[in-house]
Amino acid sequence: SQQGEEDPQALSIQEGENATMNCSYKTSINNLQWYRQNSGRGLVHLILIRSNEREKHSGRLRVTLDTSKKSSSLLITASRAADTASYFCATVPYNNNDMRFGAGTRLTVKP
Amino acid sequence: DTAVSQTPKYLVTQMGNDKSIKCEQNLGHDTMYWYKQDSKKFLKIMFSYNNKELIINETVPNRFSPKSPDKAHLNLHINSLELGDSAVYFCASSTRDNKNIQYFGAGTRLSVL
Repeated sequence: SQQGEEDPQALSIQEGENATMNCSYKTSINNLQWYRQNSGRGLVHLILIRSNEREKHSGRLRVTLDTSKKSSSLLITASRAADTASYFCATVPYNNNDMRFGAGTRLTVKP
Repeated sequence: DTAVSQTPKYLVTQMGNDKSIKCEQNLGHDTMYWYKQDSKKFLKIMFSYNNKELIINETVPNRFSPKSPDKAHLNLHINSLELGDSAVYFCASSTRDNKNIQYFGAGTRLSVL
């Protein structure tokens, strides 16, 4: 079964606004990651958060992880048109090493 | 230089044909992967492979087979293509010690008619 599920499926905002995307998963995890996919391109790794971490920052990205709720959020602050892409969460279950991806959130940032 | 490259980018073929997708990485990684992204954008792992171990997702039909001529290449062969094989296929690579961070190719869009 699919591990991560992103919410919302699509998000459209104006440049300068913040974008928040959520990911829920079903089983215990070792870590959770967020990837970005520009149209027609492969996925690019953004950030990894381990199961014993609650929050992590990287530039304009902020990721939180709540293992009790089995959920994570990705916040992009001060969005730019170049942030337009699909964002995927990927989880690594506790009992194996296979990454499992959700269907992604399609983010559109309007200039 | 592209780190993980796949060819072709687009592949249109008839049902029943046999086709291959090539993948090469120049990152010096020792583990490579194939993923299938379906029409709903779910990305599912098909294979992971290093020079000692091939791990196959049990849901993958045996018409799909990975072939690795060397550490830098992992090609995907598909026999007797079916309509349901239409998807975007992504190759990825990582180091064996850090499978958490994978580098992806740009994908191959396969359309089976």
